Amino acid sequence: QVQFVQSGAELKRPGASVKVSCKASGNNFNNFALHWVRQAPGQGLEWMGWISAGNNYTKYSQKFQGRVSITRDTSASRAYLKLHSLRYEDTAIYYCARGTYSSAWYTWGQGTLVTVSS
Amino acid sequence: EIVLTQSPGTLSLSPGERATLSCRASHSVSSSNLAWYQQKAGQAPRLIIYGASSRATGIPERFSGSGSGTDFTLTISRLEPEDFVVYYCQQYGSSPSITFGQGTRLEIK
Repeated sequence: QVQFVQSGAELKRPGASVKVSCKASGNNFNNFALHWVRQAPGQGLEWMGWISAGNNYTKYSQKFQGRVSITRDTSASRAYLKLHSLRYEDTAIYYCARGTYSSAWYTWGQGTLVTVSS
Repeated sequence: EIVLTQSPGTLSLSPGERATLSCRASHSVSSSNLAWYQQKAGQAPRLIIYGASSRATGIPERFSGSGSGTDFTLTISRLEPEDFVVYYCQQYGSSPSITFGQGTRLEIK
């Protein structure tokens, strides 16, 4: 069964960038489509974007367009979320989850806490 | 973008009772691309219902989903102590984005 392990907690200054990784166990990582979602403290879930299987097509929430990028390194079985120009309100737990754009998500990473503080 | 509104925000019930959680969409959700997730404190969400009414693998039969179009319901037939957590609905497959409801917290009365 596929499992996702995410990178550790990050503390960043406002205006900086952060890169969070999501490592998949098992084979055929290039066949996985992946989403990134975040959850601010005490708040709900917010979809950020998605990378498709195979051709690595990406689609981002309009809220984060221009400030986010999602990439994949197949040789390392990792996907990455990079968020630029961090603001205090970007403080949240960031999750990766497996699924196509038109499917529900069975498998989630454990989450990565990103704290933006001066 | 499809906005999902969950009600109530908090539901107070006792173990053994029946819970009915609502999720209303601002526009029709195509092909019943509606899921429900359960989230326990400090954990990632867990899929419990997909396709509006299909139970995910390993989910107890007391959980059921129904609805289509703009109105969806998650029902928990007999509440167990471990069910008193937060539930989110999600619509997937529509443009421009995937969206979640704001969540319903189930608390012990």
